[in-house]
Amino acid sequence: AQKVTQAQTEISVVEKEDVTLDCVYETRDTTYYLFWYKQPPSGELVFLIRRNSFDEQNEISGRYSWNFQKSTSSFNFTITASQVVDSAVYFCALSEETGANNLFFGTGTRLTVIP
Amino acid sequence: SQTIHQWPATLVQPVGSPLSLECTVEGTSNPNLYWYRQAAGRGLQLLFYSVGIGQISSEVPQNLSASRPQDRQFILSSKKLLLSDSGFYLCAWSRGLAGVFVLTFGAGSRLTVL
Repeated sequence: AQKVTQAQTEISVVEKEDVTLDCVYETRDTTYYLFWYKQPPSGELVFLIRRNSFDEQNEISGRYSWNFQKSTSSFNFTITASQVVDSAVYFCALSEETGANNLFFGTGTRLTVIP
Repeated sequence: SQTIHQWPATLVQPVGSPLSLECTVEGTSNPNLYWYRQAAGRGLQLLFYSVGIGQISSEVPQNLSASRPQDRQFILSSKKLLLSDSGFYLCAWSRGLAGVFVLTFGAGSRLTVL
């Protein structure tokens, strides 16, 4: 079974629009970590954020914000006032306590910001 | 500061040929090292990880192998490539468990097997 589901394969928005990337996860562990990584066209994955399962506080970093809801097993990522440089593939990932040396990645969402 | 180097960046190989992808990390010691594969339309799949010299854990049975001859060197190999080995291979390192510590990725190696 897929542990991390990113249902949106591709999203296109016009510059300055807000966009939300969805991430739904599945785990039986009570302790786990959730991550978002960005993969620009260069190919190198860049870490964006990590949350542990005991911290449901939403986080904002500049134009980026994350909404963690355990009740719906979701960890969604919103970009406000999108820019062309935000065009990339975004991956959500889960780490479970029982297998803490592996990250389970979703299939990614390709975001294209149109100028 | 820590940096991770991965090469070659691009590789086109015939079926049945050998493979060697190399990854080195600078600016840290005793890192955890990882090889991931990204196939088209799929997420990243962990292939191997290593917590120390000579220590290799395989996550998926396959045509590939990994070795860690030095503390900061991680090599992905194959004796005979298959078409299904095509993909984008990413090396990464972390200070500890990947599930807890942040992974830092290399720029990747794109392998096309013809």
